[in-house]
Amino acid sequence: GIQVEQSPPDLILQEGANSTLRCNFSDSVNNLQWFHQNPWGQLINLFYIPSGTKQNGRLSATTVATERYSLLYISSSQTTDSGVYFCAVVGLTGANSKLTFGKGITLSVRP
Amino acid sequence: SQTIHQWPATLVQPVGSPLSLECTVEGTSNPNLYWYRQAAGRGLQLLFYSVGIGQISSEVPQNLSASRPQDRQFILSSKKLLLSDSGFYLCAWSLIQGLPSFGSGTRLTVV
Repeated sequence: GIQVEQSPPDLILQEGANSTLRCNFSDSVNNLQWFHQNPWGQLINLFYIPSGTKQNGRLSATTVATERYSLLYISSSQTTDSGVYFCAVVGLTGANSKLTFGKGITLSVRP
Repeated sequence: SQTIHQWPATLVQPVGSPLSLECTVEGTSNPNLYWYRQAAGRGLQLLFYSVGIGQISSEVPQNLSASRPQDRQFILSSKKLLLSDSGFYLCAWSLIQGLPSFGSGTRLTVV
């Protein structure tokens, strides 16, 4: 099946700093999403972005489908941004057509 | 609108006891259904997915099984729990190639 790798695995930021989270995937995709898992375990969808660039407040994401990666940008980070960020993809066919997650990036924003 | 219900929210079970976690989806028909497990400090691992009633695909060999007795009902079971079954279990649904929506999760502790 499709492989999804996220980096870095852990990230510590001072409040107000900017950061970039990366997601690499091994094959062409139909869907790509970024999720934030809050302290209670709930997965919150941030972006649906199989290609192109989107922005939502302090967050933005870019997917370069031809090069098989996506980036999530967090600007002016806040302590409430802490948590685990997952990238998940759905490939085009067969064994790749299931939603597959990366291992996540644990972000800690310190006041 | 579509909603997904997952229960219970938390569960503490002794080793060797049976398990039954239930997930139901409302407001849609013939969804793809998924069970994921997140072990402590790790990413989401796909356990089972189903594209229709009675159709279950298992991603990893394990002590668990899944069933889909009705179109919008997905059940995760075990006959005898192991300590290693502890974790956070998430149910999700999507339409074919669609965006997934997640339940609120069940935190299982096997003691």
